[in-house]
Amino acid sequence: TQTVSQSDAHVTVFEGDSVELRCNYSYGGSIYLSWYIQHHGRGLQFLLKYYSGNPVVQGVNGFEAEFSKSDSSFHLRKASVHWSDSAVYFCAAGHNAGAKLTFGGGTRLTVRP
Amino acid sequence: NAGVIQTPRHKVTGKGQEATLWCEPISGHSAVFWYRQTIVQGLEFLTYFRNQAPIDDSGMPKERFSAQMPNQSHSTLKIQSTQPQDSAVYLCASKTGESTGQLYFGEGSKLTVL
Repeated sequence: TQTVSQSDAHVTVFEGDSVELRCNYSYGGSIYLSWYIQHHGRGLQFLLKYYSGNPVVQGVNGFEAEFSKSDSSFHLRKASVHWSDSAVYFCAAGHNAGAKLTFGGGTRLTVRP
Repeated sequence: NAGVIQTPRHKVTGKGQEATLWCEPISGHSAVFWYRQTIVQGLEFLTYFRNQAPIDDSGMPKERFSAQMPNQSHSTLKIQSTQPQDSAVYLCASKTGESTGQLYFGEGSKLTVL
């Protein structure tokens, strides 16, 4: 069974803080991983992806994520959050990007002023 | 580039009625995906098309749900005899043929079955 788990349903930080949103996966074989952001009432927007190569990938708006095969993880990080980063973040995985993605349950990030 | 367009944005139906949701993918994108989003189940894959051909419908409920892509500019998701448990936001996404390409999502169609 292919699963993606996001252990934190809610994370609250203050503006300017750093944040890490956790994602763990259970997949066999080669894997394609990505993060998406969803603001209230909107569709999902792509943040970044990993397929091969450098395990640390950079995305939009200062986000980065690090792939770890040993930990089966793909955690998302940002060094200094802004109030506009408040949203729900979804981790997704698939065997290859041409096929369907399985999404985690999402983490709601709240950034307080 | 208008992005992925989904209509209607909101639909309210009575139990037992039919609901049809429309999706217009980004021009030039060869793959179209449908997902269902609820608070309880999260994001669930339903089905996807590549070059208009159905590739994987493993997430589609076997009864009452059907999806089509009659041409490259739109796809439809039809739910017959809607039930309250069908209430959800239905998200359509498209992507290019590049194997590691990202998904571009529409804003979703919120279906409420009374």
